[in-house]
Amino acid sequence: AQSVTQLDSQVPVFEEAPVELRCNYSSSVSVYLFWYVQYPNQGLQLLLKYLSGSTLVKGINGFEAEFNKSQTSFHLRKPSVHISDTAEYFCAVTDNDYKLSFGAGTTVTVRA
Amino acid sequence: DSGVTQTPKHLITATGQRVTLRCSPRSGDLSVYWYQQSLDQGLQFLIQYYNGEERAKGNILERFSAQQFPDLHSELNLSSLELGDSALYFCASSVGASTYNSPLHFGNGTRLTVT
Repeated sequence: AQSVTQLDSQVPVFEEAPVELRCNYSSSVSVYLFWYVQYPNQGLQLLLKYLSGSTLVKGINGFEAEFNKSQTSFHLRKPSVHISDTAEYFCAVTDNDYKLSFGAGTTVTVRA
Repeated sequence: DSGVTQTPKHLITATGQRVTLRCSPRSGDLSVYWYQQSLDQGLQFLIQYYNGEERAKGNILERFSAQQFPDLHSELNLSSLELGDSALYFCASSVGASTYNSPLHFGNGTRLTVT
C-alpha cells in the first residue's frame, strides 16, 4: 500500500519569496504523484502530476515539482509567491490502484 | 468552478440521525469518488463508483453507504450518526476509472456537523 508524508504542516512565507513544500512517499511499486491545492472554503484543485518521463513537472500558477525516485520525494516549488497562493497544499500518490492517498496537507500563509 | 455540484453545503443534525449527501459529477465524467476530510484524520478515501457500479472501497464505515444512479449522480448515506462523523465530505469525479490517468475534479464539499 502507498502512503504520503508531508514534512511541514505550516509554511509561512513572505510575498515574492520562494517556497518549497516537501513530500515523501512510500510504495512497493511504481507510483503516480500529484499535488492538489485547496483554497479556503473550496474543493481541491489539481496543480500538477507526475506519471512518467521528465522528472521535473510544471503545473498551473507557476508551480513545479521534481520527482526523485532514489529519495522517494516529490517536492513542490514556486520561485516567487503571491498573497493569492495562501492555501492548503496536498501531496497525493496512487500506484495504479483506484485509491488516491493524500498527505496531511501543508498550510501556506503568504504575508506582505 | 470544477463542475462538480454537492448539496447541501451545510448540514447540522443530531446523533443517531441519518443524512443523505448528494453529488452531481462533471458532465461526461463516469467516476464518482467520496472523501471525508477531518482535522484528525485528514483526507480519507471512502468509496468510488464507476458508471453505476462500485469500483473501490476505502475506509468507509458500515454505517455509511453510497450509490451511483443511472444519470451518474451519487448519494452518500450516513446513518446512526456519531459526533466523530462531523467532517467535510467531498465528492470528486473523473472521466475514467483509474486515478492516475484521469484527474479528479472536486466539489466544494458538504460540511456535516453532528451535535
